[in-house]
Formats: sequence, structure tokens, C-alpha cells
Amino acid sequence: AQKITQTQPGMFVQEKEAVTLDCTYDTSDPSYGLFWYKQPSSGEMIFLIYQGSYDQQNATEGRYSLNFQKARKSANLVISASQLGDSAMYFCAMRRGGYQKVTFGTGTKLQVIP
Amino acid sequence: EAQVTQNPRYLITVTGKKLTVTCSQNMNHEYMSWYRQDPGLGLRQIYYSMNVEVTDKGDVPEGYKVSRKEKRNFPLILESPSPNQTSLYFCASRVRGEDSNQPQHFGDGTRLSIL
Repeated sequence: AQKITQTQPGMFVQEKEAVTLDCTYDTSDPSYGLFWYKQPSSGEMIFLIYQGSYDQQNATEGRYSLNFQKARKSANLVISASQLGDSAMYFCAMRRGGYQKVTFGTGTKLQVIP
Repeated sequence: EAQVTQNPRYLITVTGKKLTVTCSQNMNHEYMSWYRQDPGLGLRQIYYSMNVEVTDKGDVPEGYKVSRKEKRNFPLILESPSPNQTSLYFCASRVRGEDSNQPQHFGDGTRLSIL
């Protein structure tokens, strides 16, 4: 069975600093995709970044980058230059290639301090 | 505007009274899915559908039913709701693609309270 683990229930970061949110996954499939979503206090789910298991380079989207270490089965989200608006819950999710089930982690609540 | 629309947004009801949460998307997506979100548990997939008349169980399907008679609609049915189904529910859709890198588009959520 596939599993996503986010070990940090909550984190604080100073405004303008970088922060890393951890995500490890467990799957025996060679093909899979990893997603990060942000959920602000208003409740909507916002897609941030995607990494495919065969992608050669780590994904980047603006201030978001993904530190993908395939051998360690980790896909950590790095947010550079944190802003107050980054305060939210962050979820890591995995979809196995060829399958349509999606598994989410339990989330990390990030609070950015002025 | 591309969107996934869920109704109702909030509902308080009583045990055993059948209810339906509707979900509609205007993006012509093949794939649709329902999740529930509970504190400390993240989002868990209830059911998903890869196309019209094709549905399959997610990780927590017990107590729920779905149907996919039209591409745009994917209602979630609770035939006999119980208090342990009190939760925040999300509907999502995306293009199908076997190895799609396309993210899911989520609705705004339905907060369900069953007394």
C-alpha cells in the first residue's frame, strides 16, 4: 500500500526566511507523481508544485521548489523568502502511475512570523 | 471561469436522513473524486471516477455511494448518515491521463455535521 508521511504537524518560520516542509513516501511502483497543495484558513486547496518519478530535475515554481531524493523516497517542499500569506496547511500527495488513487499526508501547519 | 462547484457548502442534519452533496465541473474533465478531511488525518479518498459510468472505491468508501451519469456531475450520497461522517468534504477533478502531471482542481468544500 502506498503511504505519505509528513512528520511536522506544525512549524514556525520568520518572514523572509526559507523553510523546508518534509514529506516521505512509500511505494513499490516505479512510476508515480508527487504533488504539494496549500490550504489557507479559508479552506480552499491550492496546487503548488508537481514532481514526477522520472523527472531528472527537481521541480521549481516561483518561490516553491521540491527537493526530490528518490533513493530516500523524500519530496520536501522548500519555500524561499517566506511571506505572511504563506501561513497555511500544506499537504503532500502521491498518485501512482497508471492508477487513479491518490494518497495525501496528514499535513503541516506553517505559521510565518513577522 | 473554470471551476468545481459543490453544494451545499454547509449542512447540519440528523442521523439516518439520506443526503446528497452535489459536485459539478465545467472543465470537461474525465476524472472526478471525493475526499473527506478530518483533523490529524489529512484528506482521504472516498470514491473516484475515471469517466461516465466508471467509478471505483478509494480508501474510505464505507457508508457512501456515488454515481457518474454525466461527465460534469459526480454526486456523493450518504444513504444513512452517521455522526462519524461529520467532516469536511471536497470534490476534485482533473484530466484523466495515465501518468498525468495535471493537478486536481478542488471545489470549495462542504462542511457536513451529522447529529
